[in-house]
This record gives sequence, C-alpha cells and structure tokens, in this order.
Amino acid sequence: DGGITQSPKYLFRKEGQNVTLSCEQNLNHDAMYWYRQDPGQGLRLIYYSQIVNDFQKGDIAEGYSVSREKKESFPLTVTSAQKNPTAFYLCASSMGAAFNEKLFFGSGTQLSVL
Amino acid sequence: DAKTTQPNSMESNEEEPVHLPCNHSTISGTDYIHWYRQLPSQGPEYVIHGLTSNVNNRMASLAIAEDRKSSTLILHRATLRDAAVYYCIPDGGAQKLVFGQGTRLTINP
Repeated sequence: DGGITQSPKYLFRKEGQNVTLSCEQNLNHDAMYWYRQDPGQGLRLIYYSQIVNDFQKGDIAEGYSVSREKKESFPLTVTSAQKNPTAFYLCASSMGAAFNEKLFFGSGTQLSVL
Repeated sequence: DAKTTQPNSMESNEEEPVHLPCNHSTISGTDYIHWYRQLPSQGPEYVIHGLTSNVNNRMASLAIAEDRKSSTLILHRATLRDAAVYYCIPDGGAQKLVFGQGTRLTINP
C-alpha cells in the first residue's frame, strides 16, 4: 500500500535532548511537509521541501531542523532549543507544491517531555 | 491569504444529512476550496475540493455559492465514522494550506 509512514508513534524527550522524528513516503511525491498540532488547535507548518536537497522554513521553524537527502525521506529533529516541544507532529506529502495539490498525511507522532 | 470562518462545533444524528458551512469572503477568484477532515489521533485526510460549480465524490458533496464567498460540505447520510474535525481551506498553494481550528462534528447514534 502506498502511503506515508511516521515513526515512532509516541516519543519522549528528556531536558536538553535532541530527538528525531522519522517520515517516509512511497508515493513518489516531490513535496513533503512537517506540521505541529497542539491540543484543540489547527496545524502549523514547521518546514517544507519541494525537492531533494532543498527545504524552506514554515511559520514556526525555530527550534527545529530538517534534511531532505532522499526523495522518500524527510526527518524532523526537535532540538533542545525548542522549549515547548510537547505536541502532535504530522508529516505530509504532495505530488508538487503548486496549486490544487492534495496533501497526504501520516498518522502522526506524539512527542512528550519527561 | 484568504481567511475562513467555520462554526467551532456541530452535532447531528446518525443516518441524517449534515451541512457544514464555511465562509471565505476574501478568497481570490482562482483559489480552489479544499475540505479535509481529521479523525481523533489521526492525520487529516482529503475530502473534496472545487472551484465554482458543485462537486460530488464518494465521500461528500461540495456546494459553492455563486459569489464564491461561502461553501457547504454535505455529508448525505452521516455515520459514526464521520465524527471528526472538518477543515475548509482556500488553496493558496500546497505549502500555504492553512488548517485552522475547523468544525468539530459530533454524530449521535
């Protein structure tokens, strides 16, 4: 089945620790995205990538980093600089980043601070 | 970027039609309207999208006002599995889709 796989489903971070969330897609999509969702809120864009080896900051990039070395993979690192990392993180992809594209989402990673 | 207004919550009964409204009075003439829904503890999923005329697919129908300042997502016969948060999103490019708070739909058995 084609789709987006996020792992792990639950992740715990200790104070001062960096953690990396995995996102893999086998849809052959060029564009990939990371969103953060706080309880009862909508989604906020952290980073997006339209092509391999290129990515742009979204609305709330501070304290996060990404890489896009392969088309199918877009890992997100939550650094120790992110002081309030507890949230639900969603990865998405689309065929392109133009207008009228459908986004396909993974099932999310819940990150909590110990 | 176009702004949208949706009710925070709505409630309906199983097997009845549901009409979810969205106001997008500042939408530009070429922006599609997209609808996504998010089930509890899941990522959002695409429901339907349209530009000017009404659209139907196996999940729902989308009715767009003639002046394009509002639209209505129609679930013809709600089931318990339709309980979700529904997002109405003007299309400003894939990287600019804004998922606001949406409408939380509750379906009563």
